[in-house]
Amino acid sequence: NAGVTQTPKFQVLKTGQSMTLQCAQDMNHEYMSWYRQDPGMGLRLIHYSVGAGITDQGEVPNGYNVSRSTTEDFPLRLLSAAPSQTSVYFCASRRDLGWNEQFFGPGTRLTVL
Amino acid sequence: AQSVTQPDIHITVSEGASLELRCNYSYGATPYLFWYVQSPGQGLQLLLKYFSGDTLVQGIKGFEAEFKRSQSSFNLRKPSVHWSDAAEYFCAVSRGGNTPLVFGKGTRLSVIA
Repeated sequence: NAGVTQTPKFQVLKTGQSMTLQCAQDMNHEYMSWYRQDPGMGLRLIHYSVGAGITDQGEVPNGYNVSRSTTEDFPLRLLSAAPSQTSVYFCASRRDLGWNEQFFGPGTRLTVL
Repeated sequence: AQSVTQPDIHITVSEGASLELRCNYSYGATPYLFWYVQSPGQGLQLLLKYFSGDTLVQGIKGFEAEFKRSQSSFNLRKPSVHWSDAAEYFCAVSRGGNTPLVFGKGTRLSVIA
C-alpha cells in the first residue's frame, strides 16, 4: 500500500493564480481531510469528507474548494492564491470512526508570492 | 466544540532525562485522545491513542500517556529521552463518529547531549 500520497511536494505560485493540490489514498478509507500547518498554529482543518459526494467545512475553509467524486481522491483547490495561503498542506485519511488512526500524507509546501 | 491546549511551546531536555509533555482538552464527554509526532520535514505519525479502559496507555518508541478525567489532561511521558526523539509533538482530540480530529498547537522538543 502506498498509503496517503500528495502531489506536488513543493509549489510556488503568484498571487491570483489557481491550482489544485492532489491527494489520494489506497486504503479504502471513507474519511479524508485537509489541514494546513503554520508555525505556532498547529494543524488547522480546512475541509473534510466522510465519503464520496460528501464534504464539509473545517476551521479555515475560506479560499479553498474541495470535491470528493471517488473514495480514493480528495483534491484541494485554491481558487485565487493569496500570500496568506503560504503554508504546508497535509492530507489525511482514516476509516470512518473517530477511534481509528488518521494517516497523513507527506505534505505539500506551498509558497504564494 | 472540543479544543486542545498544549501549554508548552518548546521544551529542552538532556538525553537520558525523563520527559512529560502536557495536553489539556475541553470536551463534555470522554473524547478520543491521540498523540502524534512529526519529525522535521516529515508527516505525522501516531504515537498512541485512548478512548476507554486503562487510563495509562502504551505507545510506540517507548512513550506512554495517562488520561486524567478530573484534570481533563492526557500527558505524554517517556522515562529516558533519546536524541532521535527531537521532534514536534501534537495532542489531538475527536468526539468520535465522523467528526474531525482537532489538534493542539504542538510542543517542540529539543534534546541536548
